[in-house]
Amino acid sequence: DVKVTQSSRYLVKRTGEKVFLECVQDMDHENMFWYRQDPGLGLRLIYFSYDVKMKEKGDIPEGYSVSREKKERFSLILESASTNQTSMYLCASSPPTGVRNEQFFGPGTRLTVL
Amino acid sequence: QQPVQSPQAVILREGEDAVINCSSSKALYSVHWYRQKHGEAPVFLMILLKGGEQKGHEKISASFNEKKQQSSLYLTASQLSYSGTYFCGTDTGGFKTIFGAGTRLFVKA
Repeated sequence: DVKVTQSSRYLVKRTGEKVFLECVQDMDHENMFWYRQDPGLGLRLIYFSYDVKMKEKGDIPEGYSVSREKKERFSLILESASTNQTSMYLCASSPPTGVRNEQFFGPGTRLTVL
Repeated sequence: QQPVQSPQAVILREGEDAVINCSSSKALYSVHWYRQKHGEAPVFLMILLKGGEQKGHEKISASFNEKKQQSSLYLTASQLSYSGTYFCGTDTGGFKTIFGAGTRLFVKA
């Protein structure tokens, strides 16, 4: 069974802390994505990666960075957490573009920044 | 840039039909549909490629009007299990899929 896992389901951090969200997929997918999900706004793309060490900004990259050192792992980093980053964060992976780019999502991490 | 979904929410009784629309201002290569149940990850339903294709998944089908850059999701004879939030994702070619804000569907017994 294909799987995307995220390191935590729930996380509570304080303003100014550095936060790491980890995502691992076991499908050998090239593409990986980080989204945040907020009520009424749907899924908004933060960053994506189409290969190891490659990354591209999505629609709302401000305040975030990412790291992809291995194909199966894609990390989202909040350099200095702020309250407006309280949200549900979803990771996804997909096979190479041009094949069938169905995305497989992880269960999400609900982050609260106090 | 985000596709527009309508309606924002819909309430159905079991057995009723529903249509969810997704509209983009950009030329589309493909449209994806996902369903997310409460507390769970979004799950892929189907993808429609440029060419006006129509696809089906059980009693859920979809169409893609390439000229209008619109897609519609049709839910026939709805079941309680159809409840959730439906997202369309649009692809203009490349790596990114841009998702709509979602349509919340409630099916009552």
